[in-house]
Amino acid sequence: QVTLKESGPGILQPSHTLSLTCSFSGFSLSTYGMGVSWIRQPSGKGLEWLASIWWNGNTYNNPSLKSRLTVSKDTSNNQAFLKVTSVDTADTATYYCAHTGYYSGNYYVMDAWGQGASVTVSS
Amino acid sequence: DIQMTQSPSLLSASVGDRVTLSCKASQNIYKYLNWYQQKLGEAPKLLIYYTNSLQTGIPSRFSGSGSGTDYTLTISSLQPEDVATYFCQQYNSWWTFGGGTKLELK
Repeated sequence: QVTLKESGPGILQPSHTLSLTCSFSGFSLSTYGMGVSWIRQPSGKGLEWLASIWWNGNTYNNPSLKSRLTVSKDTSNNQAFLKVTSVDTADTATYYCAHTGYYSGNYYVMDAWGQGASVTVSS
Repeated sequence: DIQMTQSPSLLSASVGDRVTLSCKASQNIYKYLNWYQQKLGEAPKLLIYYTNSLQTGIPSRFSGSGSGTDYTLTISSLQPEDVATYFCQQYNSWWTFGGGTKLELK
């Protein structure tokens, strides 16, 4: 069974760097086809994909946020990380990490999600 | 960037109704489309992948179809537990979600 859980600061000030951790079990980020994606959702609004990291170390960022995002992993400890620099109030949202799988036939799915971590940017 | 537009944004239906939700891409996404269900206060859950493949454990009343730029999620007989917001997601070029359709009981 795949499970994921996000952790973060809860609240931070504008211009600071947001650091989030995704702790997971049930899969390894060293296994072919496995990845972790980060997605955020402002309260009452839609979903926005932020970044993904794959078993081979490849990372992909949303072009609209590319320069502000850094995604990394610690395979040995089953964790993935997201950093967002220079935050402002528009970054206030629930941040999810999701197990992302690449399967034969060109299927990419986010098939298990964490419960989400609420992040508020406020002075 | 590929934009995904879902319609309607709000849908009211009765238990037992056949419900159809639409998702339109700004360009051809070659069936690279997934559907997710998000209940209030919960994380999204994968329902359908690659346009019409049912995720394991999802009831067979859910089905997907489409091609090119136009895609549909159908619930054959609406159940009370289907009240949720539904999102489509393309993965032909990066990942983009639609704005969602909120499904409520009439």
